[in-house]
Amino acid sequence: SQTIHQWPATLVQPVGSPLSLECTVEGTSNPNLYWYRQAAGRGLQLLFYSVGIGQISSEVPQNLSASRPQDRQFILSSKKLLLSDSGFYLCAWTSGRDQETQYFGPGTRLLVL
Amino acid sequence: RKEVEQDPGPFNVPEGATVAFNCTYSNSASQSFFWYRQDCRKEPKLLMSVYSSGNEDGRFTAQLNRASQYISLLIRDSKLSDSATYLCVVNTGFQKLVFGTGTRLLVSP
Repeated sequence: SQTIHQWPATLVQPVGSPLSLECTVEGTSNPNLYWYRQAAGRGLQLLFYSVGIGQISSEVPQNLSASRPQDRQFILSSKKLLLSDSGFYLCAWTSGRDQETQYFGPGTRLLVL
Repeated sequence: RKEVEQDPGPFNVPEGATVAFNCTYSNSASQSFFWYRQDCRKEPKLLMSVYSSGNEDGRFTAQLNRASQYISLLIRDSKLSDSATYLCVVNTGFQKLVFGTGTRLLVSP
């Protein structure tokens, strides 16, 4: 069966510090991968998606970036965090015949102070 | 106008009640539709897909009305464990999902 991992689970970072969040998927190959952010009291906002290694599409211009160095690894980064980057970051995947249904990882809760 | 709109609630219902949520979407070209459930401080989990013919899974029934561009979710015989936020989700194409902000349900004893 497929599983998706995210780490860390929680993170407190000062403004201006760098960020690296990791997402890995097991039990599938060539998944589509997605990064979302959910700010407090708000809906999920799609940040990036990837259909393959090295292929990244950005949905919202911001100080975040994403990379996909391996088939089942998706990384979200920032060089300098802003207060507004605080939120719940969720990684999701789709694969196989059903490329519409997305399954989410447990998320990383980020607080920027 | 938001792409996907939901009443944020909360809907406060007693155990055993029937409750219905509606969701409207703006993109008439939307291709597929889902309901996800999100517990407090947890990730969203797929509850059910929504088909044009409607579909039922136990106590949950989802309906799609393409002409009016709305989706509904009906929960019968509510349980305490149904308390959560229910997210309406629309696939607008190119494998991108648009999420509503969710409807919060509180089921009380």
